[in-house]
Amino acid sequence: GENVEQHPSTLSVQEGDSAVIKCTYSDSASNYFPWYKQELGKRPQLIIDIRSNVGEKKDQRIAVTLNKTAKHFSLHITETQPEDSAVYFCAAIRAGGATNKLIFGTGTLLAVQP
Amino acid sequence: NAGVTQTPKFRVLKTGQSMTLLCAQDMNHEYMYWYRQDPGMGLRLIHYSVGEGTTAKGEVPDGYNVSRLKKQNFLLGLESAAPSQTSVYFCASSTFTGDEQYFGPGTRLTVT
Repeated sequence: GENVEQHPSTLSVQEGDSAVIKCTYSDSASNYFPWYKQELGKRPQLIIDIRSNVGEKKDQRIAVTLNKTAKHFSLHITETQPEDSAVYFCAAIRAGGATNKLIFGTGTLLAVQP
Repeated sequence: NAGVTQTPKFRVLKTGQSMTLLCAQDMNHEYMYWYRQDPGMGLRLIHYSVGEGTTAKGEVPDGYNVSRLKKQNFLLGLESAAPSQTSVYFCASSTFTGDEQYFGPGTRLTVT
């Protein structure tokens, strides 16, 4: 089955710097890769996603890149702000496949220092 | 439009007690999921449902049962709670697999 590894587990940056979180997946048939943000004590919320027919997607200060050959995808946050501090989860799934299971990485705690 | 709601928000159980967690969604989603979240382990899928009357096992199903008698509700049962089931439980729903999953606010369960 699918296995998703996420690095680093913690990341501390200065306000205004960029942050990069990386994930690798094992199932080459996975074709949908969402990223969720979870603030302390809150529910996970989707912030950006990418499908396997696209190499990069941007939404204001956040972007996601996908390398299907290497089976890894990354979240990029530019001009970080204190409100970006949260736990970020990547995930992967073979959308439309038999298993219907979204597999999550173990999360990255991002701390943006003012 | 409340989205995904969970009942209760907090619960403390003694070992061996039973309880049911209720998840409700008003978005007419076909798919519903139950996850548990433990420190350092991300979100792990317990059980899921692809439609009313259907359920399937996820990564960590042992010790839990589920039912989806109505499309809008997904129940998670613990028949005999164990301390290892102390966790935060999240319910989620989506229109179909491969689409955005909407999460409920979570239930914090402590088993002593």
